[in-house]
Amino acid sequence: ETGVTQTPRHLVMGMTNKKSLKCEQHLGHNAMYWYKQSAKKPLELMFVYNFKEQTENNSVPSRFSPECPNSSHLFLHLHTLQPEDSALYLCASSQVGTSGGSSYNEQFFGPGTRLTVL
Amino acid sequence: GNSVTQMEGPVTLSEEAFLTINCTYTATGYPSLFWYVQYPGEGLQLLLKATKADDKGSNKGFEATYRKETTSFHLEKGSVQVSDSAVYFCALSGRNYGQNFVFGPGTRLSVLP
Repeated sequence: ETGVTQTPRHLVMGMTNKKSLKCEQHLGHNAMYWYKQSAKKPLELMFVYNFKEQTENNSVPSRFSPECPNSSHLFLHLHTLQPEDSALYLCASSQVGTSGGSSYNEQFFGPGTRLTVL
Repeated sequence: GNSVTQMEGPVTLSEEAFLTINCTYTATGYPSLFWYVQYPGEGLQLLLKATKADDKGSNKGFEATYRKETTSFHLEKGSVQVSDSAVYFCALSGRNYGQNFVFGPGTRLSVLP
């Protein structure tokens, strides 16, 4: 599946580092998402962008900063992270409509970035 | 709010055994329902979906039927293979604009040869 790509696939960083995760979707969708997947915890929705506007921020700490410069690209800027932030970070995209339909909000996921904070 | 409950497992089966993973949901209105699968080291992939009551989604030998009366969307496969070992997520999406996906906690399936 190459519809949604993420880089890097693996990242190890210290608590004082600054790094960025990148996501790109090639599906022409108008919504993009960041999820955090930790071991033995449910998938956590972090940020939602519809039509490049951030519409949801589920109480995510400010050390995570999203950026969506256009409908195809999404970044997650990281700084002064904690070891408990180590997880798989998944990006997804979907086509969001304004009325009911058979495929609205079906999400397509990237392979994820495995982040380890030392 | 909307929510999804599924059996958390892990589920361990022998090859060619019958698989059922239960999923029930709570939602306002008539959501779309999905099963996603995550193989080791990968992201989530859509396995199948159903968008209205009594619809049956199917793919790769897996099936699930949208049961409005029991608010369920159980995943079944008649004969599992070792390659089916993965984590399976039930999910729903509300039809109203702005309603986001809600995922279940995932069920880990291990199939032994």
